[in-house]
Amino acid sequence: DSGVTQTPKHLITATGQRVTLRCSPRSGDLSVYWYQQSLDQGLQFLIQYYNGEERAKGNILERFSAQQFPDLHSELNLSSLELGDSALYFCASSPSGGSARDEQYFGPGTRLTVT
Amino acid sequence: AQKVTQAQTEISVVEKEDVTLDCVYETRDTTYYLFWYKQPPSGELVFLIRRNSFDEQNEISGRYSWNFQKSTSSFNFTITASQVVDSAVYFCALSEAHGSGNTGKLIFGQGTTLQVKP
Repeated sequence: DSGVTQTPKHLITATGQRVTLRCSPRSGDLSVYWYQQSLDQGLQFLIQYYNGEERAKGNILERFSAQQFPDLHSELNLSSLELGDSALYFCASSPSGGSARDEQYFGPGTRLTVT
Repeated sequence: AQKVTQAQTEISVVEKEDVTLDCVYETRDTTYYLFWYKQPPSGELVFLIRRNSFDEQNEISGRYSWNFQKSTSSFNFTITASQVVDSAVYFCALSEAHGSGNTGKLIFGQGTTLQVKP
C-alpha cells in the first residue's frame, strides 16, 4: 500500500458525460501527479501540482482539467467524454518539491469506462 | 526529444531462471533520472529504483540488480532466480532535470510483461 488513495476505483459512464476523479496524496507529500494508462498510448503524464499550484503539464486534453486543494487532495475533471478516454487513471505523489529526482508513489488507479 | 524504449513486449521464463529486461533511453539533458516500476496484476505501480545520470554504479537489491551504462544509454534490470510472484509488467521511466524544468514529469517506456511459470 503506497499511502496514495484514489476514488472511485471503477467508473462507467456514457459518452458526452463529465466525471471527477479524486486523489489523496501520502501524508506530507506536497506534489500530486496524474497519469493516464491506455492500451494504445501506454502510460502518459497529464499534469503535476505542487502545493496547490500547477507545476507541469503534459499531453492533457482541453476537455480535462485538474486542481489541488488546500488540504492537498487533487481532483481530475474529465468532460465531454469520448470512447477513447476509457483508460486507467493514476494519481501519484512525491515529497519535497516534486522535482525530477523525486520518486513517485502511485495510487491504485481509477478505471474509467466510457460506453 | 526524450524517449524510453523497452523493446521486449513479453518475456516468459520458468521459475528459477534469470531474466533481463532491457531499457534504452534518449535525452539531451545532462542531468536526468531513471526509474523502474513494477505493475503486478493488481494494477498498482510500485517504485523499484531510481538512478541519477552521474552515478553509473550497478545496484543490487536481493534478487534484483540494475545495470546503468551511459555509453549505450541503457538501464537494464535483471531478476535472478525468478519466482512466480515476479510476474508483472515492468516499466522503465525517465525524468529530466533541465528539459522538463526540473519537474517530476515521468516519461515511461511501453513496458515489458514478464510471465514466470512454475
